[in-house]
Amino acid sequence: GQQLNQSPQSMFIQEGEDVSMNCTSSSIFNTWLWYKQDPGEGPVLLIALYKAGELTSNGRLTAQFGITRKDSFLNISASIPSDVGIYFCAGQLRGGSEKLVFGKGTKLTVNP
Amino acid sequence: DVKVTQSSRYLVKRTGEKVFLECVQDMDHENMFWYRQDPGLGLRLIYFSYDVKMKEKGDIPEGYSVSREKKERFSLILESASTNQTSMYLCVTGQLNQPQHFGDGTRLSIL
Repeated sequence: GQQLNQSPQSMFIQEGEDVSMNCTSSSIFNTWLWYKQDPGEGPVLLIALYKAGELTSNGRLTAQFGITRKDSFLNISASIPSDVGIYFCAGQLRGGSEKLVFGKGTKLTVNP
Repeated sequence: DVKVTQSSRYLVKRTGEKVFLECVQDMDHENMFWYRQDPGLGLRLIYFSYDVKMKEKGDIPEGYSVSREKKERFSLILESASTNQTSMYLCVTGQLNQPQHFGDGTRLSIL
């Protein structure tokens, strides 16, 4: 099945640093979603984007739906230790079903 | 608040057993999905359902079946468990134009 290109695969940062990760696709998407997964848990929704160009914030998190509808990024500002986890992007194809297409995830490690 | 409940967090079964994984949602969502998650392979769609008694194959349906007798419940069945089905299984529910929500996952080990 199709998957999104998510990068980077992993990041090691110091507490307080800003983080940026992105997802790209060769297909156009109607919706972009960003999830965070803690070890042993299911992914939890962070931000949902429904409109090209949309920029949405959730606390220290900011995500954007690319103008071309083929990409999205997630920024985390002033990282803290509890930001550790795996971040997934997901998209719903334009004109497609409700199935999500997922990136492989970005594993974030924050050193105190 | 969205609530997606998977019946077991951890499950250990033997090769050849028939295994049932249950997922229940309380949001009256029409769409329900089962994924498995494996290191290096990401999330892969096994089966999904858009309505009661309706099911469609995902990308990796072999060795699995599903049942949706009621709107709130979507069951994943491993007909004859094998060691390569050891994985994290995630149930997801959603509704048109709304974000999809995950359950906490079932970590299944087949010995």
